[in-house]
Amino acid sequence: EDKVVQSPLSLVVHEGDTVTLNCSYEVTNFRSLLWYKQEKKAPTFLFMLTSSGIEKKSGRLSSILDKKELFSILNITATQTGDSAVYLCAVRDYNTNAGKSTFGDGTTLTVKP
Amino acid sequence: NAGVTQTPKFQVLKTGQSMTLQCAQDMNHEYMSWYRQDPGMGLRLIHYSVGAGITDQGEVPNGYNVSRSTTEDFPLRLLSAAPSQTSVYFCASRLTGGWDTEAFFGQGTRLTVV
Repeated sequence: EDKVVQSPLSLVVHEGDTVTLNCSYEVTNFRSLLWYKQEKKAPTFLFMLTSSGIEKKSGRLSSILDKKELFSILNITATQTGDSAVYLCAVRDYNTNAGKSTFGDGTTLTVKP
Repeated sequence: NAGVTQTPKFQVLKTGQSMTLQCAQDMNHEYMSWYRQDPGMGLRLIHYSVGAGITDQGEVPNGYNVSRSTTEDFPLRLLSAAPSQTSVYFCASRLTGGWDTEAFFGQGTRLTVV
């Protein structure tokens, strides 16, 4: 059974701080890892990672995957109050029909002014 | 584009009642899925479909039925509601049944079973 563990479960920082969110996984036949941001309602897509060592970047957010050590990190620099959300990590594997996603429990980030 | 539309947004049921959560997408996505999210937890897959006429179980399918008669619609039926089914339900869709496509989520249905 696929397993995704995110840490920390929650985090409180002040505006301007840099944060690193972690996602480790156990997947029989890894295909991809995805990061989502969830603010109150529907999760929205941030990144998809399939190859080790290649950083994906979007503004102040970046993410990288290590397929040898089975983890990914999501970095947010110069945090803003609008970054407050639950950040979800999900993995897909080759074994399941059409690549079902297994989600972690999320990291709740609170950015204080 | 409307994207993924879920109805209703909120629902209160009595134990033993049945109901259908509706999900529709207008992006011609083949892959659709239903998740539930409980407090402090991530999303757990209930059922999914890789195309019209094809459905399969996820990790928590008990107490739920689905059907996929059209590409656009993927309703989730609660057969006999139980308090343990109190949760927020999300429908998601993505292009093709492949692995390298992002999922688009509906706004969720908050269900309370009393």
